[in-house]
Amino acid sequence: DAKTTQPPSMDCAEGRAANLPCNHSTISGNEYVYWYRQIHSQGPQYIIHGLKNNETNEMASLIITEDRKSSTLILPHATLRDTAVYYCIVRVRWGGGNKLTFGTGTQLKVEL
Amino acid sequence: ETGVTQSPTHLIKTRGQQVTLRCSSQSGHNTVSWYQQALGQGPQFIFQYYREEENGRGNFPPRFSGLQFPNYSSELNVNALELDDSALYLCASSFLSQGDTEAFFGQGTRLTVV
Repeated sequence: DAKTTQPPSMDCAEGRAANLPCNHSTISGNEYVYWYRQIHSQGPQYIIHGLKNNETNEMASLIITEDRKSSTLILPHATLRDTAVYYCIVRVRWGGGNKLTFGTGTQLKVEL
Repeated sequence: ETGVTQSPTHLIKTRGQQVTLRCSSQSGHNTVSWYQQALGQGPQFIFQYYREEENGRGNFPPRFSGLQFPNYSSELNVNALELDDSALYLCASSFLSQGDTEAFFGQGTRLTVV
């Protein structure tokens, strides 16, 4: 499984964009980058995923570098409710499997 | 609200006992995975079930076992509980097909072993 590296914590002012980086330098060509977040004591919540192109949905944007060795999750207008641990995951598929390998993630604090 | 429900929400057991945790998958999903999350750590993959058969296992001993039923609900069983088994246990469901899918998680069961 490709490993990911994320900063342990980040702060962001409410209303500003939160840019969360992730390094995955050993990613394989058929592995996807997934982002999940976990608000305290809740189950992880899916945010977005991508293979090589930039992706956007109602929650966030995902920017993947051309060499696919790193990516950035962008929350365009962070709110207090976005305070959570954000996990960058490189997804392995094998024989129909769907295993997610979580690291320790980035604790994002959104403050007034 | 993901549609994945877990029961019970909290549980206290004594070392050496056995426990069964339950998960009801989101409607239409055919795959369920179980994760263990110790305090301050990310979730760790235990195993996955696809069409009622185990389809992948993480680094957990055989005393962790599971079942998936025809309605795609699932159970996680842990025998001979140890203090280190205290954790949040998460269930995730997804639909496995030719394309990639995302997993939706339940709220978890908080197990405390004393």
